[in-house]
Amino acid sequence: AQTVTQSQPEMSVQEAETVTLSCTYDTSESNYYLFWYKQPPSRQMILVIRQEAYKQQNATENRFSVNFQKAAKSFSLKISDSQLGDTAMYFCAFMKRSGTYKYIFGTGTRLKVLA
Amino acid sequence: EADIYQTPRYLVIGTGKKITLECSQTMGHDKMYWYQQDPGMELHLIHYSYGVNSTEKGDLSSESTVSRIRTEHFPLTLESARPSHTSQYLCASSGGIGGGGSDTQYFGPGTRLTVL
Repeated sequence: AQTVTQSQPEMSVQEAETVTLSCTYDTSESNYYLFWYKQPPSRQMILVIRQEAYKQQNATENRFSVNFQKAAKSFSLKISDSQLGDTAMYFCAFMKRSGTYKYIFGTGTRLKVLA
Repeated sequence: EADIYQTPRYLVIGTGKKITLECSQTMGHDKMYWYQQDPGMELHLIHYSYGVNSTEKGDLSSESTVSRIRTEHFPLTLESARPSHTSQYLCASSGGIGGGGSDTQYFGPGTRLTVL
């Protein structure tokens, strides 16, 4: 069975600084997807970034980038130039490429950006 | 913002009442999901559907039931609400004509349910 671990329940960062959220996972699958989702307080959960395991290149989306280490089963999210609007819960998720389309979510990291 | 809607957004109800939480999406997605999430906590999958007339129970046991009679609509029903059902319920969809592939799930705004 797959598991996703987010070892940092809470983090804070100063505005304009860079922060890295960690995520590790355990799987015997070779083909899968990894995701970071953001859930702002009382607002809708949205996709931040998506990584396909067969692609070695790390995904980037504007200020958000990942460090995907397949052998180490690590998938960290780096947020550059942090903004107050980045304050949210961040969830790491795993999905097998074949079979079911179900996500396995981590327990989340609460990020607070300080002015 | 994704085109997936949930109503009501907030619901306070007494024990024993029957409730239906609505979820609709206009993206033509064939897969839909219901998650239960306590405030600030992880998401637990309680139901999912791969298409019309297809429903499955998720990883977390739930007393709720679902139906999928139309592609765009995936309601969740509690026949007799109890205080232990107090939680946030999130609906999501993926795949199909709406794009984004079957791997990316799009979430609704959630329904926050309180059972007194």
